[in-house]
Amino acid sequence: SQKIEQNSEALNIQEGKTATLTCNYTNYSPAYLQWYRQDPGRGPVFLLLIRENEKEKRKERLKVTFDTTLKQSLFHITASQPADSATYLCALEPNSGYSTLTFGKGTMLLVSP
Amino acid sequence: NAGVTQTPKFRVLKTGQSMTLLCAQDMNHEYMYWYRQDPGMGLRLIHYSVGEGTTAKGEVPDGYNVSRLKKQNFLLGLESAAPSQTSVYFCASSYFRANYGYTFGSGTRLTVV
Repeated sequence: SQKIEQNSEALNIQEGKTATLTCNYTNYSPAYLQWYRQDPGRGPVFLLLIRENEKEKRKERLKVTFDTTLKQSLFHITASQPADSATYLCALEPNSGYSTLTFGKGTMLLVSP
Repeated sequence: NAGVTQTPKFRVLKTGQSMTLLCAQDMNHEYMYWYRQDPGMGLRLIHYSVGEGTTAKGEVPDGYNVSRLKKQNFLLGLESAAPSQTSVYFCASSYFRANYGYTFGSGTRLTVV
């Protein structure tokens, strides 16, 4: 069966450091991989999308890598700030059929001052 | 502000009661979705629609019905609520293939007692 795995344990880092979150998947052939941010009591907010033929995508302090051989995506936040504290979700869109996203369970990031 | 609006934000139902959750988007998106989010389970797709007048089942459709009579609206119905349907419900919308990600509403917190 298809699986998307994100570290269930919260990631605690100090302000200014780089946060790295991992998304692994099995039995899946995604066309796109997306990352979302979710704050408590709010809906997820889209951050970045990376296509299967792209290795890396950047947006301001965010960087996403996508390795279809390892079936893994890494999400980096450089120069992290307490305001980056949230749960980060990865989501995969299949290579065929309609556009529906399957989400991982998310990893909570806590950035301390 | 452009986006996805969900009503109501909170609701308590008794077992066996029915209700309809309303989702409205003003971005002219073709695709609309209903997800539920439970602790430890992540976001799971209930139903989705690829255009006005169309609906399709997602991962967890049992106990729910949907309708998309107008492009901008997507309704989620519970005919006979059960405690297992206690959850936070999120509506989302997107363009085809979600090149720009999904736009989510702020959620409806439903408790069935």
